[in-house]
Amino acid sequence: AQTVTQSQPEMSVQEAETVTLSCTYDTSESNYYLFWYKQPPSRQMILVIRQEAYKQQNATENRFSVNFQKAAKSFSLKISDSQLGDTAMYFCAFMEYSGAGSYQLTFGKGTKLSVIP
Amino acid sequence: ETGVTQSPTHLIKTRGQQVTLRCSSQSGHNTVSWYQQALGQGPQFIFQYYREEENGRGNFPPRFSGLQFPNYSSELNVNALELDDSALYLCASSLVGSEQFFGPGTRLTVL
Repeated sequence: AQTVTQSQPEMSVQEAETVTLSCTYDTSESNYYLFWYKQPPSRQMILVIRQEAYKQQNATENRFSVNFQKAAKSFSLKISDSQLGDTAMYFCAFMEYSGAGSYQLTFGKGTKLSVIP
Repeated sequence: ETGVTQSPTHLIKTRGQQVTLRCSSQSGHNTVSWYQQALGQGPQFIFQYYREEENGRGNFPPRFSGLQFPNYSSELNVNALELDDSALYLCASSLVGSEQFFGPGTRLTVL
């Protein structure tokens, strides 16, 4: 079974600073997708960034970027110029084809990020 | 473009009762997935529907069932509720094999 591990239950960062959230995963597949989702106190799960495993180039979305190390099965999220609105739970998620046209997400337990003014 | 919506927002039931949760997909999406998120945990995959049929299921008992309608909206039904079913239930819609977009969730409390 696929597993996703987020080893940092909680982190904090000063406003305008940079923070990196860690994620490792385990799979025997070569084709899959990785995601970071953000869940603020409002509970809405928001997609932050995605990475296809076949792409060597790391994904970036404005202040958010990833460091994807396929051989090490590592997928970290870097948030630059942290803002108060970045305060949320961050979930790393893995998706692969699971048969019969089904693609399911497997989530880590999350990292609670607090941005301090 | 309309996002994923879920109803109701909150629900309180007693043990042994049955519950139905509803989800409307984002416009243009044909796949719906349901997840259970216990307090302090990441979401757990319940099942996925495509073309009105269940095409993937996580480690949940048969008392968790669902439906998908021709307009791609979906229902999650849970029979014989147990205390451990108390959780946030998330619906996500997508195109097949693409990133999933989530609704705001339904908070279910079982007493």
